[in-house]
Amino acid sequence: NAGVTQTPKFQVLKTGQSMTLQCAQDMNHNSMYWYRQDPGMGLRLIYYSASEGTTDKGEVPNGYNVSRLNKREFSLRLESAAPSQTSVYFCASSVETRSSGPQHFGDGTRLSIL
Amino acid sequence: KQEVTQIPAALSVPEGENLVLNCSFTDSAIYNLQWFRQDPGKGLTSLLLIQSSQREQTSGRLNASLDKSSGRSTLYIAASQPGDSATYLCAVRPSIQGAQKLVFGQGTRLTINP
Repeated sequence: NAGVTQTPKFQVLKTGQSMTLQCAQDMNHNSMYWYRQDPGMGLRLIYYSASEGTTDKGEVPNGYNVSRLNKREFSLRLESAAPSQTSVYFCASSVETRSSGPQHFGDGTRLSIL
Repeated sequence: KQEVTQIPAALSVPEGENLVLNCSFTDSAIYNLQWFRQDPGKGLTSLLLIQSSQREQTSGRLNASLDKSSGRSTLYIAASQPGDSATYLCAVRPSIQGAQKLVFGQGTRLTINP
């Protein structure tokens, strides 16, 4: 069982470069999420997609864009990377039909912006 | 605004002890509460999910309780083992309509000494 798969696992960028983080889940989940984790700040929601074809802003969406490519895939794009976006990024998914189910997380992408 | 607090930030106990991790939240209007463990450099692993109508959930040596009215949850770990060493995070899902994000605590870093 792959669960939630994120690529790449590590990346170093220069300020101003762009990049897309990829996420795919094989659990037939409806909802998908992007979080960032920073020391002292905990995990914060960037964007989420309640279902295929919809996306919504979370707590810290500035500087990011997302695409829900299909039910399986949800990508996060940094158009012009800034040092403040250095973080660990996690993708998660949940079934979210009539009941609220657990969120399942990927292993993360460790991103450094120089 | 929902806030989640976990105290203590770090805990070190000898192997074999039973222990309790604490989680408190400021707003009792929640759908559910989820406990995760996170190993260094890894993603989050879901341990237990308690729906707002439930009082507790059990999985193996783990037992999580929820007292929604007082805004508290505890994670009880029986007969602790060195392999239980990790950071434990709790997260609540607010029951505000359309809000699918989780609000995380900062975590308790647990060390089990052989």
